[in-house]
Amino acid sequence: NAGVTQTPKFQVLKTGQSMTLQCAQDMNHNSMYWYRQDPGMGLRLIYYSASEGTTDKGEVPNGYNVSRLNKREFSLRLESAAPSQTSVYFCARGTGNTGELFFGEGSRLTVL
Amino acid sequence: QQQVKQSPQSLIVQKGGISIINCAYENTAFDYFPWYQQFPGKGPALLIAIRPDVSEKKEGRFTISFNKSAKQFSLHIMDSQPGDSATYFCAASIRNSGGYQKVTFGTGTKLQVIP
Repeated sequence: NAGVTQTPKFQVLKTGQSMTLQCAQDMNHNSMYWYRQDPGMGLRLIYYSASEGTTDKGEVPNGYNVSRLNKREFSLRLESAAPSQTSVYFCARGTGNTGELFFGEGSRLTVL
Repeated sequence: QQQVKQSPQSLIVQKGGISIINCAYENTAFDYFPWYQQFPGKGPALLIAIRPDVSEKKEGRFTISFNKSAKQFSLHIMDSQPGDSATYFCAASIRNSGGYQKVTFGTGTKLQVIP
């Protein structure tokens, strides 16, 4: 898993419910990312974090919040889940100066 | 606005053949171009990458060709094997004001290599 652990791996929610996806890295890199993957749309950036305590919006941030309380962990929260948020979510960590990312194995979320 | 366009969406290649996936980008500020390979149920994994000052990079059976003037780059898989069957993503990255790389992905190509 390239040193990136995501939990849970699977989750089913009802519309309006909230949940948090957890991500932790076992390296000491500053940058961490949340992407969502949908068929035919590739990987789209939701939020990213350059370092502990800083976060910034990506392409598709609406309906999500993130938290980077320490260097190791970066969580993604859905406050009121919608069916449009049914997707596979990937957390990734950066490597420093290059565009190389190391991804976790994904969290598959279904919103009914 | 899709900054990295990838084609084809799917590709079927005979074992031993050459698989070719093409990508085009718009932003000339991109400074790194990685390719990722993804198997079902797994996260994408870095396969090979190139910088824009290099026209070609080869690692084993995988080669990236880069055409800076045309703003295009491609992945060639020589002697394709059934084990290469996966989804491939091209990507482009740019250093942003926060001092780290922001990576934009293509839409992916599902490759099937048949025996």
